[in-house]
Amino acid sequence: GNSVTQMEGPVTLSEEAFLTINCTYTATGYPSLFWYVQYPGEGLQLLLKATKADDKGSNKGFEATYRKETTSFHLEKGSVQVSDSAVYFCALTLNTGGFKTIFGAGTRLFVKA
Amino acid sequence: DSGVTQTPKHLITATGQRVTLRCSPRSGDLSVYWYQQSLDQGLQFLIQYYNGEERAKGNILERFSAQQFPDLHSELNLSSLELGDSALYFCASSPETGGGYEQYFGPGTRLTVT
Repeated sequence: GNSVTQMEGPVTLSEEAFLTINCTYTATGYPSLFWYVQYPGEGLQLLLKATKADDKGSNKGFEATYRKETTSFHLEKGSVQVSDSAVYFCALTLNTGGFKTIFGAGTRLFVKA
Repeated sequence: DSGVTQTPKHLITATGQRVTLRCSPRSGDLSVYWYQQSLDQGLQFLIQYYNGEERAKGNILERFSAQQFPDLHSELNLSSLELGDSALYFCASSPETGGGYEQYFGPGTRLTVT
């Protein structure tokens, strides 16, 4: 079936450290891929997206590249800040007659000053 | 602020009861999605509507139903509530229905079933 697998958290980093959150997917067809972020007490908001293979999404210093050959969409940031502490969700959207979105389990990130 | 509003913010009710959650999408968005977020199940897609019509169905229980009205607001009805239905319920909207469109999420309704 269709699914999204993210690395388990929590991930704890010091400020200015390099961040990688792994995301791999299984899908029939050609999904669009997304990273959403959820800050405490809020709804999800889009961080970045990629709609076809080899596309790179980027926003606020975060990047992810749609890798069809490895079915991956890993999230990276070169230097994290305390304000990046949140839960990060990898997601895919597929056309299954309607457009269904499948989310990964989420990865909680803590950044220490 | 995403522009998506959800009411109420919190809801506490007893097992066996029925509740209605309301969502107003961003101005101009035709598509509405409902999600359930719980600690053990994560974020689960429930159902999508586009311009008043059901478009996609996910893991929605038969006790749950939804509709989208002509003014594009949507309601999620949960009946015969069980303790396990306690969760955060999110509504999201997007301009169209399509794989590449991002979804804009509301702040959620926290449902507690006692």
